[in-house]
Amino acid sequence: AQSVAQPEDQVNVAEGNPLTVKCTYSVSGNPYLFWYVQYPNRGLQFLLKYITGDNLVKGSYGFEAEFNKSQTSFHLKKPSALVSDSALYFCAVRDLSGGSYIPTFGRGTSLIVHP
Amino acid sequence: NAGVTQTPKFQVLKTGQSMTLQCAQDMNHEYMSWYRQDPGMGLRLIHYSVGAGITDQGEVPNGYNVSRSTTEDFPLRLLSAAPSQTSVYFCASSPPIGEVGNVLTFGAGSRLTVL
Repeated sequence: AQSVAQPEDQVNVAEGNPLTVKCTYSVSGNPYLFWYVQYPNRGLQFLLKYITGDNLVKGSYGFEAEFNKSQTSFHLKKPSALVSDSALYFCAVRDLSGGSYIPTFGRGTSLIVHP
Repeated sequence: NAGVTQTPKFQVLKTGQSMTLQCAQDMNHEYMSWYRQDPGMGLRLIHYSVGAGITDQGEVPNGYNVSRSTTEDFPLRLLSAAPSQTSVYFCASSPPIGEVGNVLTFGAGSRLTVL
């Protein structure tokens, strides 16, 4: 079985400060990991993914995420937050060894960047 | 513009009424799916399809029907609406879901209220 947890419902950060949105996962074998962002009244948009290789993945809008196999984590980061980054962020996982083709999404974390 | 188109964007129903949420994609994606998004619950998979003529149930299929007669279209039917089906519904598609690292393209969402 595959699962993903986003332990924080909301993250608050001041503009210009670094931000981190946490994600931990559970799979039987090797994970494919994804981050999506949802702006108000919009559908989800793909940000970045980890398949294999370098543990630090760079994505859209200056975001990056670090895959940590020992801690089963895939935290989303950005060095300097913008007010326009305020949105709902979803982590998702697929477990390839279990033959699952369907990603499982976390509950989402609301990021609020204060001016 | 290429993408996933959902209609209607907003709908109000009375308990017991039926309706169909439409989803169309013009990217020749094999995989299509329907999610519902509720506060604090994240995204939950209702039904999905890996190709024309093939559908399967997701996590929360009760009260919903789907069909996939063409690659482009994947309508979601509510046979007898209940207040518990008040939610925001998202359609998503991708190239074959089994391929490495495929990401989902989401529609803008359909907000349904059942009175």
